[in-house]
Amino acid sequence: EVQLVQSGAEVKKPGESLKISCKGSGYSFTSYWIGWVRQMPGKGLEWMGIIYPGDSDTRYSPSFQGQVTISADKSISTAYLQWSSLKASDTAMYYCATSYSGSSDFDYWGQGTLVTVSS
Amino acid sequence: QSVLTQPPSASGTPGQRVTISCSGSSSNIGSNTVNWYQQLPGTAPKLLIYSNNQRPSGVPDRFSGSKSGTSASLAISGLQSEDEADYYCAAWDDSLSVVFGGGTKLTVL
Repeated sequence: EVQLVQSGAEVKKPGESLKISCKGSGYSFTSYWIGWVRQMPGKGLEWMGIIYPGDSDTRYSPSFQGQVTISADKSISTAYLQWSSLKASDTAMYYCATSYSGSSDFDYWGQGTLVTVSS
Repeated sequence: QSVLTQPPSASGTPGQRVTISCSGSSSNIGSNTVNWYQQLPGTAPKLLIYSNNQRPSGVPDRFSGSKSGTSASLAISGLQSEDEADYYCAAWDDSLSVVFGGGTKLTVL
């Protein structure tokens, strides 16, 4: 059974750093892209970027380029999304999801990680 | 403002057929396939339709998708109360990113 299990909810202060994770199991982790999708409170889905764990090829949405870093450790089948300096506007639910093609067809999703940034 | 345009809301009564539209441009829907997602309240999105009109295993055939030019549609026939959810279209854009519609909240009256 394919599963993506994300790390737990985080409460951080503005300016702090954060790295959230997404662990894949039940499939060949290095053969599928993993994307990250943001959903701000009460809002729609936004594609942040995607990584191919097999060779760490990474693509970012222009809206998120330079704002976050996407990485993966194939030895432990885990992808990451990190911030160096959080803002209140980063408060959102973040989902990871797999895609075979690297396009917009995300077939398996994690349960989401809620990030709250507040002073 | 989302790159793909969806109506913010739609509604229908049980048993009815409803359609949700998704309008894009030549750089996304016009040249790439469309996928649809269903997001039930408080849950992660679920892939409902891929490659314009294909259903993943387990998705009822009450759900169907179509694409024409720079627009796509999701149709739900035999509407059921459990279909009440948010629906999103998505496509690859030739600017090298995935774009989503703003979402349509479906209410079953």
